[in-house]
Amino acid sequence: GAGVSQSPRYKVTKRGQDVALRCDPISGHVSLYWYRQALGQGPEFLTYFNYEAQQDKSGLPNDRFSAERPEGSISTLTIQRTEQRDSAMYRCASSPVGRLAGVQYFGPGTRLTVT
Amino acid sequence: GQQVMQIPQYQHVQEGEDFTTYCNSSTTLSNIQWYKQRPGGHPVFLIQLVKSGEVKKQKRLTFQFGEAKKNSSLHITATQTTDVGTYFCAGRMDSNYQLIWGAGTKLIIKP
Repeated sequence: GAGVSQSPRYKVTKRGQDVALRCDPISGHVSLYWYRQALGQGPEFLTYFNYEAQQDKSGLPNDRFSAERPEGSISTLTIQRTEQRDSAMYRCASSPVGRLAGVQYFGPGTRLTVT
Repeated sequence: GQQVMQIPQYQHVQEGEDFTTYCNSSTTLSNIQWYKQRPGGHPVFLIQLVKSGEVKKQKRLTFQFGEAKKNSSLHITATQTTDVGTYFCAGRMDSNYQLIWGAGTKLIIKP
């Protein structure tokens, strides 16, 4: 079946611009996570949704970062007034219920470069 | 805060040699998951361990969860070029949906 998809795969933007990163989870997966991954590091938690409810946004670095999942499916991570330090790989993962609850199924990521 | 320490950061092996990576948590885990990330790829789920002292095998891969549920290991026997990548552990605390990720161990096959 279809896996998690993310778009765009690559985004180059100028400092100060806003960007929106999209995640389309596996159909039926109720949980959705956003991570940021630096080269050579493990994923860093940003935020988590259960259905459409944002349960935890404690990992968002500052108030320029926000996320939504209005219908409990597709999610958007928005970064306002981007800065060079925001350059990273942004990964989305979804998770099913049942025996594999909590197991993360990752998308290919969006590589963000802020110039 | 809660941490999962993973060592070593890198391991260089000759093809056919064994590989092991270790994870240690500062607190008791409810379960631990292992993922593999190939170069240029995304983390892919390998296995989840839940029970104290659990041992699971997948072909040449052996996963262990410690008796105290604070540590875990992944051992690969007779490495092959297809094993190349970074192996991550990720632990879950009781009543918490968040995974606490280790920094990963990169398996490098010597030419």
